[in-house]
Amino acid sequence: GPKVLQIPSHQIIDMGQMVTLNCDPVSNHLYFYWYKQILGQQMEFLVNFYNGKVMEKSKLFKDQFSVERPDGSYFTLKIQPTALEDSAVYFCASSLTGGGYEQYFGPGTRLTVL
Amino acid sequence: SQWGEENLQALSIQEGEDVTMNCSYKTYTTVVHWYRQDSGRGPALIILIRSNEREKRSGRLRATLDTSSQSSSLSITAAQCEDTAVYFCATDAGGSNAKLTFGKGTKLSVKS
Repeated sequence: GPKVLQIPSHQIIDMGQMVTLNCDPVSNHLYFYWYKQILGQQMEFLVNFYNGKVMEKSKLFKDQFSVERPDGSYFTLKIQPTALEDSAVYFCASSLTGGGYEQYFGPGTRLTVL
Repeated sequence: SQWGEENLQALSIQEGEDVTMNCSYKTYTTVVHWYRQDSGRGPALIILIRSNEREKRSGRLRATLDTSSQSSSLSITAAQCEDTAVYFCATDAGGSNAKLTFGKGTKLSVKS
């Protein structure tokens, strides 16, 4: 089936540094998402993105977070500066249309903030 | 139930047994997604059931949805070892601002 790729698979950084997580969504998909999963806990929605704009963000999407997809390249999640509580696995997803349809997930990026 | 304050639920069954996982939700949904997540991987959709459907089948999987009680279930018939995974239900209010709200999940172990 359609695949979403995420780069890198693991990232270890020091608190206060900037990190960019990259997502290569399914080629003809129009909606993009980031979710956060802390080990052993449920997946939580961070943000969705359509037509170059953030459509909705959760309270987990702090001011230090930003997303973009310049010129149809990677869909990125940037955290600047990082905090210890940002340690988690971040999953990117994409869908062809909006709500009510399947979201395809990437394998995740495990972020460790020291 | 996957909603509420309980921790990730764990179920262990023998190969060949049937199993049902339940999910209750609190907010309006047009669709319930059932995902499975294998260790170290992202969630993969296994069944999507819409609010106008009471039951949906896919191979050995059967999902039900009761919008009046805001609950859904996923059943696996004759479970196999490869069914071992974490299963999540997720609600989706639909519309253009799509987002999934996941339950805490059920960790299913199928032993031979």
